[in-house]
Amino acid sequence: GQQLNQSPQSMFIQEGEDVSMNCTSSSIFNTWLWYKQDPGEGPVLLIALYKAGELTSNGRLTAQFGITRKDSFLNISASIPSDVGIYFCAGRGNAGNMLTFGGGTRLMVKP
Amino acid sequence: ETGVTQTPRHLVMGMTNKKSLKCEQHLGHNAMYWYKQSAKKPLELMFVYSLEERVENNSVPSRFSPECPNSSHLFLHLHTLQPEDSALYLCASSQGAGSSGNTIYFGEGSWLTVV
Repeated sequence: GQQLNQSPQSMFIQEGEDVSMNCTSSSIFNTWLWYKQDPGEGPVLLIALYKAGELTSNGRLTAQFGITRKDSFLNISASIPSDVGIYFCAGRGNAGNMLTFGGGTRLMVKP
Repeated sequence: ETGVTQTPRHLVMGMTNKKSLKCEQHLGHNAMYWYKQSAKKPLELMFVYSLEERVENNSVPSRFSPECPNSSHLFLHLHTLQPEDSALYLCASSQGAGSSGNTIYFGEGSWLTVV
């Protein structure tokens, strides 16, 4: 089956710093999604990517669909305390396949 | 408000109890999902319903029984659970199941503790 490797598993950064995390897959994906999960809540969709090379922003967040179609990146600029949470990537290969989720990146921001 | 509502948010049940988790989506989607989220594990897909028919059952034990009476509602019936079943259960919905380009939206989750 498809596997996703998300890294880093956790990050502890200072407020104001930029953050970068990524996901790599063992096979080609046609869709990449990035979610954020606050403690005790369900994941909330941040950015959806549907085309290789696509670069999409949502406020301070920017995500890219890698040109090899086997990876995706999420960057957060000028982090703030409310960025704390777990960020999940998710991807789908061929139509008909269900989403595969990465293991998550736990982000902690020190004020 | 995510458009996907789950109740109850928290549930504590004994191993001999029977309880149900409920999910309702207000997004007009035709596919609904149950995921399990345990500590330090990736999200695990449990069940998928598309147009009210179960299309995927990922080797989930029979003590978990889903029900989808219509495209807006999804239940997870729980019976004789084990302590290791304690987890966050997430409902999600999408327009089309497994369709390239579709996106799934999650509810806030139901925290289940089995004692």
